[in-house]
Amino acid sequence: DIQMTQSPSSLSASVGDRVTITCRASQSISSHLNWYQQKPGKAPKVLIYEASSLESGVPSRFSGSASGTDFTLTISSLQPEDFAMYYCQQSHLGRTFGQGTRLEIK
Amino acid sequence: EVQLVETGGGLIQPGGSLRLSCAASGLSVSSNYMGWVRQAPGKGLEWISVLYSGGPTHYADSVKGRFTISRDNSKNTLYLQMNSLRAEDTAMYFCARVVVGAATGVDYFDYWGQGTLVTVSS
Repeated sequence: DIQMTQSPSSLSASVGDRVTITCRASQSISSHLNWYQQKPGKAPKVLIYEASSLESGVPSRFSGSASGTDFTLTISSLQPEDFAMYYCQQSHLGRTFGQGTRLEIK
Repeated sequence: EVQLVETGGGLIQPGGSLRLSCAASGLSVSSNYMGWVRQAPGKGLEWISVLYSGGPTHYADSVKGRFTISRDNSKNTLYLQMNSLRAEDTAMYFCARVVVGAATGVDYFDYWGQGTLVTVSS
């Protein structure tokens, strides 16, 4: 099974900050990596697919990148509505989510 | 507008069975890949099953042999039959559409329902 390890598990930041969340795959998954945002009591929402493609309607302050088995979600300038949980998910072999990163207001 | 509405959750004793439904509108369950994802209380997301448009199915090891995904094209509804339920199956269950990116074939979940809560407890 492919394991996905996210870091950090939680992060405190301020509005306007640039933040980065990392996801490491236990083996090569090519670009088969997606990022989701989930707010309390709501279903997840896809932000980035195929490692770096922005889903339609998602603000351009969200971006994704990849280097080998390491994947990064970057929010260039945090907005109040961005404080939420973030999950990576691989779809290379089966489908596995990372454990999540809680982004909190500092 | 796409809507996915899950129903069928509730309190069930260990060893029992439950069938979840996901009624779709704005998309056809027969011509899309559809899946189920669950989330235990206060925990992360866990993919559990997918039904491909051509009929094949795929399950996570944690539910293989106990859960069955299916659809009724005439009702445009996706189902998850859950048997031999365990306490660790307690979770919010979401149905979602699986979309495949044209360029690389990467798939991801784009439309999600609001979820239905399953509690397995005596």
